[in-house]
Parts: sequence; C-alpha cells; structure tokens
Amino acid sequence: NAGVTQTPKFQVLKTGQSMTLQCAQDMNHNSMYWYRQDPGMGLRLIYYSASEGTTDKGEVPNGYNVSRLNKREFSLRLESAAPSQTSVYFCASRTQTTGRIGELFFGEGSRLTVL
Amino acid sequence: AQSVTQLGSHVSVSEGALVLLRCNYSSSVPPYLFWYVQYPNQGLQLLLKYTTGATLVKGINGFEAEFKKSETSFHLTKPSAHMSDAAEYFCAVSYGGATNKLIFGTGTLLAVQP
Repeated sequence: NAGVTQTPKFQVLKTGQSMTLQCAQDMNHNSMYWYRQDPGMGLRLIYYSASEGTTDKGEVPNGYNVSRLNKREFSLRLESAAPSQTSVYFCASRTQTTGRIGELFFGEGSRLTVL
Repeated sequence: AQSVTQLGSHVSVSEGALVLLRCNYSSSVPPYLFWYVQYPNQGLQLLLKYTTGATLVKGINGFEAEFKKSETSFHLTKPSAHMSDAAEYFCAVSYGGATNKLIFGTGTLLAVQP
C-alpha cells in the first residue's frame, strides 16, 4: 500500500532555479495539501485542494504555485527558488466525508535546499 | 485568528515516567483536535483525534488525551514512557467545513532517558 508518495525526496537548487515537487495518493481521497516544516515553526499550510479542480492558498503561499492534475496528483512548483524556501515539504491527503473529520495521511517528505 | 499553542518545545522524561505534552487552542467554537507523531526522517502519523462525544480519547501506543472545553486544552499523556516514544509530537486543530484545513502547533520534541 503506497499511500501518499512524494518525489523527489531530496533536491538541491541554486537561487532562481525552478522545480516541481510531485505528490500522488492512491487512497481515492478528495482533499490534498502541501505543508512546509521548518524548525520551531511546526507545519505551515502552503496550498490545498479541497476537491479535484479546486485549489486555494494556505498560510504561506508566496513563491509557490500548485496544480491539481487529477484526483490522484497534486504538484507544488517553485518558479524562482529562494534560500528562504529551504525546508522540508510534506504532501498530505484526506477523505472528505460528510459529518466526519477524516484522518490526514502524510507522505515521507521532500527535503529541499536552496543555495 | 484560530491557533494552537504547544507549551514546551522540548520535553525530557525518564523511561517509565509519566509523559505530559500540553496543547491549548484559541477559539470560542470547539474545534476538532488531533495529535500527530513524527519519527526522524518520516512523515506525520495520527496518534488520536477528538471530534465529538467522549472527551477522553485513547490512541495508539498507549497515548490518550482529554478535551477540556473550559480550559481550551487537549493535553497528551502516557502513564509510562518507553524509549520508542522519543519523537516529535504535534497538536493540530480543524474547524471542519468545506475546506477542513488543519492548523498545527509548533511541535514538542520528546526525549526519553534510560
């Protein structure tokens, strides 16, 4: 059972370069999320997609774009990377069942360093 | 703004001692409450959650948490710490609705001393 799969797991970029983090889930979940994790700051929501075809900004969207390609895939793009975007990025997904709060399932993270 | 506060970024206990990790939320509307655990170089996994009903919630690995509305708290406890409990723990809140966003606390790193 794959769950939530993120690629790549590690990436080093130079300032100004662009890249896309890929995320795919095989649990037929409606909602998908991108978080970044920084020491002492917990997890902060970058963007989310409540359902296929919709995306919305979270707490820290500046410098990022997302695409909900289909129900399974939700990618995060850095158009012009900055050192402040050095972080560990987590993709997560959950079901959206009326009357219940579904568990959030996380990928293993993508560690990005911007030089 | 809705938020969640975890008191103590680092907590150290001896093996066999009580574990108490504190979490408070700020809202007049009771949220849905979660505790997640993160082991080194891994993603987060759910320990337990409170949505409605019984305020004492039991989770995996012997952890439990009690929702106290009057104190706006959801502290995590375990009667006897084990070395394998060493990890980072995150409290999170959600207010449901169409978006169901989770707001995380800053985390508490638990060390267990032999």
